[in-house]
Amino acid sequence: LAKTTQPISMDSYEGQEVNITCSHNNIATNDYITWYQQFPSQGPRFIIQGYKTKVTNEVASLFIPADRKSSTLSLPRVSLSDTAVYYCLVGRNTDKLIFGTGTRLQVFP
Amino acid sequence: DTEVTQTPKHLVMGMTNKKSLKCEQHMGHRAMYWYKQKAKKPPELMFVYSYEKLSINESVPSRFSPECPNSSLLNLHLHALQPEDSALYLCASSQETSGASTDTQYFGPGTRLTVL
Repeated sequence: LAKTTQPISMDSYEGQEVNITCSHNNIATNDYITWYQQFPSQGPRFIIQGYKTKVTNEVASLFIPADRKSSTLSLPRVSLSDTAVYYCLVGRNTDKLIFGTGTRLQVFP
Repeated sequence: DTEVTQTPKHLVMGMTNKKSLKCEQHMGHRAMYWYKQKAKKPPELMFVYSYEKLSINESVPSRFSPECPNSSLLNLHLHALQPEDSALYLCASSQETSGASTDTQYFGPGTRLTVL
């Protein structure tokens, strides 16, 4: 299973774009990259998943370079409600999901 | 309906008690999971059920006993727990499709367990 490394914490202000990078040097050919968001005392919530290049949905964008050894979650124009822990996970369907330490994002007014 | 429900929301139990946590989903998902999460730590996988059969047990102590009565229900039976077992217990489910992508897991709100 590919291990992931993320910054422990990040601070931002409302209205700014936030980019959270995840390193996964040992990613396997069939692995997908998935990001989850978790608010205090709630279960994690799926944000976005990708395999290569760029994926965008109504919440975020995911950028994956050609070597796939890292990925960047981009949150456009964050608000206070985006304050949460963001987890990057790497794996494929037959794998169990291993959550890394996650990135604690604090958004200030 | 994309909801996973868990009961109870909170549970306080003594070390000699027997209690059960319950999880339910009606999304037709065939994989269900139990995770344990300590404060300010990531969720840790405990058990995985696939098509109502236990497929992964992450070396969890026998005082935790999972049960999957049917495809919509998942229980976690607790007996003789220790104070260090106090945590948020999360249930999740996913479709369990074949293929290369990773199925999205849908998580419940969790049960906050305190062992005295």
